[in-house]
Amino acid sequence: AQSVAQPEDQVNVAEGNPLTVKCTYSVSGNPYLFWYVQYPNRGLQFLLKYITGDNLVKGSYGFEAEFNKSQTSFHLKKPSALVSDSALYFCAVRDDTGRRALTFGSGTRLQVQP
Amino acid sequence: AAGVIQSPRHLIKEKRETATLKCYPIPRHDTVYWYQQGPGQDPQFLISFYEKMQSDKGSIPDRFSAQQFSDYHSELNMSSLELGDSALYFCASSSGPGRISYEQYFGPGTRLTVT
Repeated sequence: AQSVAQPEDQVNVAEGNPLTVKCTYSVSGNPYLFWYVQYPNRGLQFLLKYITGDNLVKGSYGFEAEFNKSQTSFHLKKPSALVSDSALYFCAVRDDTGRRALTFGSGTRLQVQP
Repeated sequence: AAGVIQSPRHLIKEKRETATLKCYPIPRHDTVYWYQQGPGQDPQFLISFYEKMQSDKGSIPDRFSAQQFSDYHSELNMSSLELGDSALYFCASSSGPGRISYEQYFGPGTRLTVT
């Protein structure tokens, strides 16, 4: 069974400051990891993924994430937060076997204050 | 760029009624997934199809069924609706094993309210 933990229900950060949204995972086999963002009453928008290769992956809107195999983590980061980044962020995982359904974390609400 | 289309966007039904949700994947995507997101919850995988065949099954109730048609669109049929079925239902699509695409692209969702 695979699982994702997002330990923070909410993260507050001031505009212009760096942000980190935490994610740890558990999966048998090699992990495929994803971050999605959800704005109110909207669908999930794909931000970035880690499949293999460099541990630091870059995605949309200036976001990046660092894969750490030993800590089974995939934290989302951005050097300088914008008020418009305020949204709900989901980390998701699947393994490298045939099953391709995503398992999501519980989500972290990011609030960027002006 | 074309995105995943879901219809209807909003649906209100009474208990014990039936509902049909439709999903049109991104062109040339041959895999469709259905997820259910309850209020304040994370999305939960229901079922997926690849090349019109069911490829995986998650926590889909027996009252629900789904299929993928020859044009790759998919329908989720929900019968004997219960109050607890009120949720946001997402469809996502991706390209299949023949074309490597790991991420899933989500539609805007159908908000189902059961009264």
